[in-house]
Amino acid sequence: GAVVSQHPSWVICKSGTSVKIECRSLDFQATTMFWYRQFPKQSLMLMATSNEGSKATYEQGVEKDKFLINHASLTLSTLTVTSAHPEDSSFYICSARIGQGTGELFFGEGSRLTVL
Amino acid sequence: GNSVTQMEGPVTLSEEAFLTINCTYTATGYPSLFWYVQYPGEGLQLLLKATKADDKGSNKGFEATYRKETTSFHLEKGSVQVSDSAVYFCALSIDNNDMRFGAGTRLTVKP
Repeated sequence: GAVVSQHPSWVICKSGTSVKIECRSLDFQATTMFWYRQFPKQSLMLMATSNEGSKATYEQGVEKDKFLINHASLTLSTLTVTSAHPEDSSFYICSARIGQGTGELFFGEGSRLTVL
Repeated sequence: GNSVTQMEGPVTLSEEAFLTINCTYTATGYPSLFWYVQYPGEGLQLLLKATKADDKGSNKGFEATYRKETTSFHLEKGSVQVSDSAVYFCALSIDNNDMRFGAGTRLTVKP
């Protein structure tokens, strides 16, 4: 199947710094990518939908200035957690779809962020 | 709103035991239902899906039937193996643009 890769797989940072997480589709072009957040023992929560060449669509309650999403090419979307705080510590997962419409979603391995 | 509730884990079974992971959903409209699996160190992978009532999804010995009357999509396998140890996520989608996930159930199969 198609491969989606995230980097880094884990990161520790100091409070107040910014952290960038990359999501790459390795063997296909992804017009649409999705970013999820997962708290321990809780569901994956959709944060935003990232469309190549346009602004991301954020879910209600997600701070767009806090979680900057850029989808500059058909194989790369980035999530930047700005001025990170301990409450931003979480597991972030991206997914990508081949083509448009109702194509299957492929998920990255996830990135664990710990903010000290 | 649309949501999924799945059985809390962790679940620990012996090899060849029967597995059931319960999943129920709440949705407006007619959702598609999915089971995803995440093996250690890997991303989520689609395990099986069903797109309408009474459909049965199956893959790798796992099965789940879309039951509209009980709003359920329970995952079953007759004889689990050590290699089935993973986290299993139930999910629903109305149009594949808005995937809602359950909390995940960790399964450990012991030899």
